[in-house]
Amino acid sequence: DIQMTQSPSSLSASVGDSVTITCRASQIVRDSLINWYQQKPGKAPKVLIYTASRLQSGVPSRFSGSGSGTDFALTISSLQREDFATYYCQQTYTTPYTFGQGTHLEIK
Amino acid sequence: QVQLQESGPGLVKPSETLSLTCSVSGGSMSGYYWTWTRQSPGKGLEWIGHIYDTGSTNYNPSLKSRVTMSVDTSKNQISLKVTSVTAADTAVYYCARMDYYESGSHDYWGQGILVTVSS
Repeated sequence: DIQMTQSPSSLSASVGDSVTITCRASQIVRDSLINWYQQKPGKAPKVLIYTASRLQSGVPSRFSGSGSGTDFALTISSLQREDFATYYCQQTYTTPYTFGQGTHLEIK
Repeated sequence: QVQLQESGPGLVKPSETLSLTCSVSGGSMSGYYWTWTRQSPGKGLEWIGHIYDTGSTNYNPSLKSRVTMSVDTSKNQISLKVTSVTAADTAVYYCARMDYYESGSHDYWGQGILVTVSS
């Protein structure tokens, strides 16, 4: 299985800040098949970014993704109140598809 | 707008079989993979497996011996069965659509259903 390691596990930031969450895969994820999801309490995950850097339709442009190989990142610029949530990376290059352990983003 | 809705018992006894259904509306099931993912209380996400519209399946090896998925395209439904459940199977179970050929992501999700394993 490909292990996905996110950092940090939790993060405190203020409205207007820019933050970056990283995700490292235990082996190369070809075709950059990395997705990023946002999850709020009691809700299903929502896809933000697919294939590492493509913005899902309807997602604000303050969300961006980057990376290739084994190292990937999600950046949120100019944090809004509604962005405080938990974020997960996922690889869909090979089964079993695996998720990072999550990054909890909270308001400072 | 594609919508998914999970249904089934919220309480299952240990050693019994967990059975869930996911109803899909607002779009065709053809050409997509349909997945089950679970989330134990306060924990992360675990992919259980997926099924294509043809019925072809792929399961997570961690659960493979206990999991069966099926699809009924005439009813726009997929189902999940997990046998011999224990407390470790207590989780919120989500069905989702995977757009394998375009994005590789799970783009539509159900709201999730909490299944508790307890006597």
